[in-house]
Amino acid sequence: GENVEQHPSTLSVQEGDSAVIKCTYSDSASNYFPWYKQELGKGPQLIIDIRSNVGEKKDQRIAVTLNKTAKHFSLHITETQPEDSAVYFCALNYGGSQGNLIFGKGTKLSVKP
Amino acid sequence: NAGVTQTPKFQVLKTGQSMTLQCAQDMNHEYMSWYRQDPGMGLRLIHYSVGAGITDQGEVPNGYNVSRSTTEDFPLRLLSAAPSQTSVYFCASSLGAGDTEAFFGQGTRLTVV
Repeated sequence: GENVEQHPSTLSVQEGDSAVIKCTYSDSASNYFPWYKQELGKGPQLIIDIRSNVGEKKDQRIAVTLNKTAKHFSLHITETQPEDSAVYFCALNYGGSQGNLIFGKGTKLSVKP
Repeated sequence: NAGVTQTPKFQVLKTGQSMTLQCAQDMNHEYMSWYRQDPGMGLRLIHYSVGAGITDQGEVPNGYNVSRSTTEDFPLRLLSAAPSQTSVYFCASSLGAGDTEAFFGQGTRLTVV
């Protein structure tokens, strides 16, 4: 079912611009919200995650924000570079701490030099 | 430092054939899972295991079987392949359930003709 909705499905930006991807969810028990990056021909790889007791987390050029009240979380990439081009997935632990990791449908990010 | 290893990388099956997708991890993770990835659908959970001898169904389990006789291995069996099972399959492992980082294999691209 639509436990997590991800938008947009495709995103094209110019090198140096910022990119924002947003996910909304419905499960109040979810308390872990990771973001995965998938490069062509490879498996997804964790790039950043946030837990429900934190509103924002930053790691160099990437940041994640969480609004538990409104049930949405977002990935922010600043100063984009061509190597940021990939498919990005949001995810959450459906059902809480012992729940399974479920994924959004993905966003294909293209960074044009 | 192998991580999660999946074999084979590519496979073509005829409708009705059976096969086993192999997955092994060397990180001593208790939790393992199988996902399928289809265009525009993201990653959908097929089956998962919280430890040796324990397996359970995910979102799309029909047509697939799993077993977990050791901590390291988690094979996925297709009993009678159908064209609808054409997909890319990913195995993942993590220390715990959905609130810990999942490590993914490189994937198996399966085509059923």
